[in-house]
Formats: sequence, structure tokens, C-alpha cells
Amino acid sequence: ETGVTQTPRHLVMGMTNKKSLKCEQHLGHNAMYWYKQSAKKPLELMFVYSLEERVENNSVPSRFSPECPNSSHLFLHLHTLQPEDSALYLCASSPGDGFAIETEAFFGQGTRLTVV
Amino acid sequence: AQSVTQLDSHVSVSEGTPVLLRCNYSSSYSPSLFWYVQHPNKGLQLLLKYTSAATLVKGINGFEAEFKKSETSFHLTKPSAHMSDAAEYFCVVREMDSSYKLIFGSGTRLLVRP
Repeated sequence: ETGVTQTPRHLVMGMTNKKSLKCEQHLGHNAMYWYKQSAKKPLELMFVYSLEERVENNSVPSRFSPECPNSSHLFLHLHTLQPEDSALYLCASSPGDGFAIETEAFFGQGTRLTVV
Repeated sequence: AQSVTQLDSHVSVSEGTPVLLRCNYSSSYSPSLFWYVQHPNKGLQLLLKYTSAATLVKGINGFEAEFKKSETSFHLTKPSAHMSDAAEYFCVVREMDSSYKLIFGSGTRLLVRP
């Protein structure tokens, strides 16, 4: 266990549904991330929050909407997704503000999303 | 821009034999380098990291990696493979430009034969 918990572990949704992914960490970290892991592609950074402010939106379509209400929780709100959005969505957190060169990321187990 | 290249998409070894997973990086600055492992249906777990201290870094589960600046490499090794080592391994770079980005390689799937 890394201390980063993601729920749900699996999600199947239709293209007209609205759902949310949740990430929670109680490690005292101030930086949190959403990554997308698709088959046969490197991990793609989607969003970064540092001290509850979004510092990166990596050209992600607006059908993905992140929310960071506090430093322990991160959400990814999903609406009108496409089948190609099916992937493993990983949440991670980093100590401090996440900017230090030596800082690694601690990952959750991911949410396996299938869009039908 | 920084990048990471994992030279093998798949590596297959017999149990008890050495493991070598290759990683080359491209960086304008002195990077920090990491190896992560991902077991099936699990998240990523940090194996080890290099942050400009000793060039030979020891990690968990008997893995180690050596930073070679002249070769821009950070290969991951283990003297003797165990069945439980079967997983996907990611080499990751982070640059000293205050970037918060971790750049991931495409991954190497390690298969361990009994």
C-alpha cells in the first residue's frame, strides 16, 4: 500500500453518463496528479495540483474536469466520454509542493474505466 | 526536452538468472531518475531513485541501477530473477528545471520462466 487510495477500482459507463473518480491520500503531500494509462502508450500526465491550485492542464479535453477541494482529495469528473477514453486512470501524490527535483510520486492502484 | 527510452518492450528470463532492463535518457540538465514497477491490475510502486548522490543505487526486492552520465543510461539489474518479479517496469526522468513533470518511458514487460 502506498497510502494513495482510488475509488472505484472499476467503472463501466455509457457515453452519456456522468461519473466521478476519487483519489484520497493522508500522507501530508501537497501535490496531486492524474495520469492516464492506455494500452501500448506511455503514461500521460493529465492534471497537476500543487497546494490545491491547478498548475497543469495538459491539453486534456473538457469532458474531463478535475477538482481538488483540499490537499488530501482529488476528483476527476467525467461526462460524455468516448470509447477511446477507456483506460486505467492513476492518481499520484508527491511530498511538499511536488516541485523538488528528488521528489518521487506515490501512486494509487488506479481506476479501470471502460466507456461503452 | 527531456525524454526516456526503454530499449526493450519485453524481456524474458529464466528464474534464478540475471535481469537487465535498459533505459537511456535525454536531458539538458542533471536529472533525477526513477524506476517504477507495476504488477498486473496494480498501481505503480517506486523501486529506486537516483538524485545525484551515489551513482549505484540500491532499491527494493534486490534491484539496483547504475547512473552512467557518459552513456546517458540508467539500466536496472537484479542478480537472480524470481517469479514474483514478473511485471512491467517503467524508467522515469525528472529534470532540474523546477518542472513538476515526471516523464515516463514506454515500459518493459518482464517475463520470468520457471
